[in-house]
Amino acid sequence: QKEVEQNSGPLSVPEGAIASLNCTYSDRGSQSFFWYRQYSGKSPELIMFIYSNGDKEDGRFTAQLNKASQYVSLLIRDSQPSDSATYLCAVIDAGGTSYGKLTFGQGTILTVHP
Amino acid sequence: NAGVTQTPKFRILKIGQSMTLQCTQDMNHNYMYWYRQDPGMGLKLIYYSVGAGITDKGEVPNGYNVSRSTTEDFPLRLELAAPSQTSVYFCASRRRVERTEAFFGQGTRLTVV
Repeated sequence: QKEVEQNSGPLSVPEGAIASLNCTYSDRGSQSFFWYRQYSGKSPELIMFIYSNGDKEDGRFTAQLNKASQYVSLLIRDSQPSDSATYLCAVIDAGGTSYGKLTFGQGTILTVHP
Repeated sequence: NAGVTQTPKFRILKIGQSMTLQCTQDMNHNYMYWYRQDPGMGLKLIYYSVGAGITDKGEVPNGYNVSRSTTEDFPLRLELAAPSQTSVYFCASRRRVERTEAFFGQGTRLTVV
């Protein structure tokens, strides 16, 4: 099993719809989870982080974490064409020999069409 | 405050040549990372460091070496470049192990011909 796995894409949604991005992780002890957005040819930029079970909302973005299921998701409400990008899930290794390792999923390409 | 600075931004290497990708951060971050990103793919961890003098292998370390003699610098060395090393390389840093985001450099686009 991959350490961090994202739902296969690409994902295409109409403008104004909700985009749902999913991520599972293998290290049950992980405590810190991040969602990055990456536009083509650019560096990743942080859009959300979540550390506790439940939901965290920031504007049109909501991150959801379920540690028991080892699952983290990102919802984008009222999707805009400017949201079209690759979304990367990232997880910190909490302990053991790889303490501090930051692992990314393979990314999900989101396209929002007008 | 420049953040994470990578040099060069672009480079073309011939097969068998060597080079060093430079990465410097001015945020006094302990944790630093090197990733490679192939077209249409996610970020694969090459090496990471949890502090000066301490480095560890990531997912794809073969063909690369790193050193961390100072907190600020984390250079990535490519020995005997191969076409499979054609990729975009990103350096990133974080302040501490938990609950802090990673800041990325602008990337180095490397082509091996």
